[in-house]
Amino acid sequence: GENVEQHPSTLSVQEGDSAVIKCTYSDSASNYFPWYKQELGKGPQLIIDIRSNVGEKKDQRIAVTLNKTAKHFSLHITETQPEDSAVYFCAASGHPGAGSYQLTFGKGTKLSVIP
Amino acid sequence: DTAVSQTPKYLVTQMGNDKSIKCEQNLGHDTMYWYKQDSKKFLKIMFSYNNKELIINETVPNRFSPKSPDKAHLNLHINSLELGDSAVYFCASRPAQGGNEQFFGPGTRLTVL
Repeated sequence: GENVEQHPSTLSVQEGDSAVIKCTYSDSASNYFPWYKQELGKGPQLIIDIRSNVGEKKDQRIAVTLNKTAKHFSLHITETQPEDSAVYFCAASGHPGAGSYQLTFGKGTKLSVIP
Repeated sequence: DTAVSQTPKYLVTQMGNDKSIKCEQNLGHDTMYWYKQDSKKFLKIMFSYNNKELIINETVPNRFSPKSPDKAHLNLHINSLELGDSAVYFCASRPAQGGNEQFFGPGTRLTVL
């Protein structure tokens, strides 16, 4: 099955700096890569996703890049703000044949933005 | 209105008891999931249901059983609770068409004493 590795496990940045979180996946058939943000006491919320036919996607201060050959993808947050502090999860989705588009999650990165 | 809701938010119980967690989605989605998040924040899928049919059943003890009375609900029943069952359980749903995004509920924190 799919295996997703995520680094770093914790990340502290100064407000205004950029943050980068990296993930690798093992199943070359995976074709959907979402990023979720989980705030304390809440459920994960999708912040951005990318499909395997795209190399980069941006949404305001957030961007995701995908390298299918190397099987890794990254989350970039620019101009970080204290409200960006949360746990971030990457995930990879199996191929449609799995029937339910199962998501395999990385172990999470706790991002702390220091004012 | 909350898209994916779970009840209860907190559940404290004794070892050996049987308990249920309810999940409802008002998004008209076709597939629903249960995830377990352990103390290290690791999220792992437990079950998914599509049109009342179980699609995935990972290596979860048979003390856990999902029940879907209709497309909008996927409840989780747990028998003979053990200390290791303590975790946060999340329900999620996904539409049949239009993408892979899964929408998560707020979670149920289960504590087994």
